[in-house]
Amino acid sequence: GENVEQHPSTLSVQEGDSAVIKCTYSDSASNYFPWYKQELGKGPQLIIDIRSNVGEKKDQRIAVTLNKTAKHFSLHITETQPEDSAVYFCAASGTAGNKLTFGGGTRVLVKP
Amino acid sequence: DTEVTQTPKHLVMGMTNKKSLKCEQHMGHRAMYWYKQKAKKPPELMFVYSYEKLSINESVPSRFSPECPNSSLLNLHLHALQPEDSALYLCASSQEGSQETQYFGPGTRLLVL
Repeated sequence: GENVEQHPSTLSVQEGDSAVIKCTYSDSASNYFPWYKQELGKGPQLIIDIRSNVGEKKDQRIAVTLNKTAKHFSLHITETQPEDSAVYFCAASGTAGNKLTFGGGTRVLVKP
Repeated sequence: DTEVTQTPKHLVMGMTNKKSLKCEQHMGHRAMYWYKQKAKKPPELMFVYSYEKLSINESVPSRFSPECPNSSLLNLHLHALQPEDSALYLCASSQEGSQETQYFGPGTRLLVL
């Protein structure tokens, strides 16, 4: 089955700096890669996703890149703000039904 | 509207109790999911319903019993749980299909004493 590795597990950045989180996946058939943000006491919220037919997608301060050859994808947050502090999960989905496989999560702390 | 609602928000139960968790969505989604999330861990898939039929059961113990009464509702019936079952239980929904975005509810925080 699919295996998703996520790094780093914790990330501390100064407000205004950029944050980058990287994920690798094992199943070359995976073709959908969402990113979720989870704040304390809440459910995961989709922040951006990318499908295998594109290499990059951007939404304001958030961007995701995908390298299918290397089987890795990354989340980039620019001009970080204290409200970006949360746990971020990457995930991958292929053709195995409706199954999402999550990475282990990255706890991001943005220091003011 | 991309809202999935879950009730209750919190639940404390003893090991001999029977309780149910409820999930509702009105987005017309035909796939619904139950996940279990322990502290500092990613969500773990438990069950998937597709068009109101159970399509995936990730070898979950029988003390957890899912039910999908209609396309908008998903229940998780709990019986004879163990303290290690204490966790955040998340419901999600999506359009049918493996590449469709899953939208999560806020979860039910369960404590088993």
